[in-house]
Amino acid sequence: QVQLQESGPRLVKPSETLSLTCTVSGYSISSGYYWGWIRQSPGKGLEWIGSIHYSGSTYFNPSLKSRLTISVDTSKNQFSLKLNSMTAADAAVYSCARGRWLQYFDHWGQGTLVTVSS
Amino acid sequence: QSVLTQPPSVSAAPGQRVAISCTGSSSNIGAGYDVQWYQQLPGTAPKLLIYDNTNRPSGVPDRFSGSKSGTSASLAITGLQAEDEADYYCQSYDSRLTGYVFGTGTRVTVL
Repeated sequence: QVQLQESGPRLVKPSETLSLTCTVSGYSISSGYYWGWIRQSPGKGLEWIGSIHYSGSTYFNPSLKSRLTISVDTSKNQFSLKLNSMTAADAAVYSCARGRWLQYFDHWGQGTLVTVSS
Repeated sequence: QSVLTQPPSVSAAPGQRVAISCTGSSSNIGAGYDVQWYQQLPGTAPKLLIYDNTNRPSGVPDRFSGSKSGTSASLAITGLQAEDEADYYCQSYDSRLTGYVFGTGTRVTVL
C-alpha cells in the first residue's frame, strides 16, 4: 500500500524558507512515477507547486519557479521542497503526491498546514 | 488562479443525480489532455475519483462517472448518498502554463 507522509516545520517567518520532506512507503521512488507537491490555501482551491522524477528532472509552476527547489533522495525514498521568501500568501496546506506526468495524482499525503508569521 | 471553472455548489436530495461541469480552454482540456476528478471530504486529502476522463480507480463506486467533450468535462453522481457530501475538483494539464491545473472546486450538498 503506497503511503506518503509530509514532515517539516509548520511555522515559518516571513521572508524565510519553507522546507518540507515527503517520505514514501510501500513503493520505491526509483520504480517510476513523478512525485509532486500541491498546496491548498485556507478556504481556497488546489494549486500544483511542482514535480520531480526519480532521475532528478524537475517541473515547476511558473508562478513559483523563481523561489522553488525540489529534490529527491532515492536512498531514503524521500523527496523535498524548499520555497524561499515566504509571505502570508504562501500559507496553506502543503501535500505531497504520486503522479503520472500529464495525468493524475493517485496517492496523496495527509497534508501539513504551514503558517507564515513572525 | 484556477484556469478550470466549476460551479461553486450543487445540491440534490438522496437518490437523485447531480452533474458538475469543468470548463477549460484550448490549452488544456481542448488540447486533448485528460481530465481527472478528485473528491475531498472535510479535513482529508483529495482522493482520485476519475482518471483519464472516464476511468474509475479500484474501489470507486460506479455511481461516479466522467465524460469529456471539447473544452469541457463533467462528473456525474447518480443515486446520491449522504457520504457524497464533499468538495470535488477537476484537474488537467495546461500546455501554456506548462503544468497541472485544477478546477475552482464544487461543494456537493445532499439535501
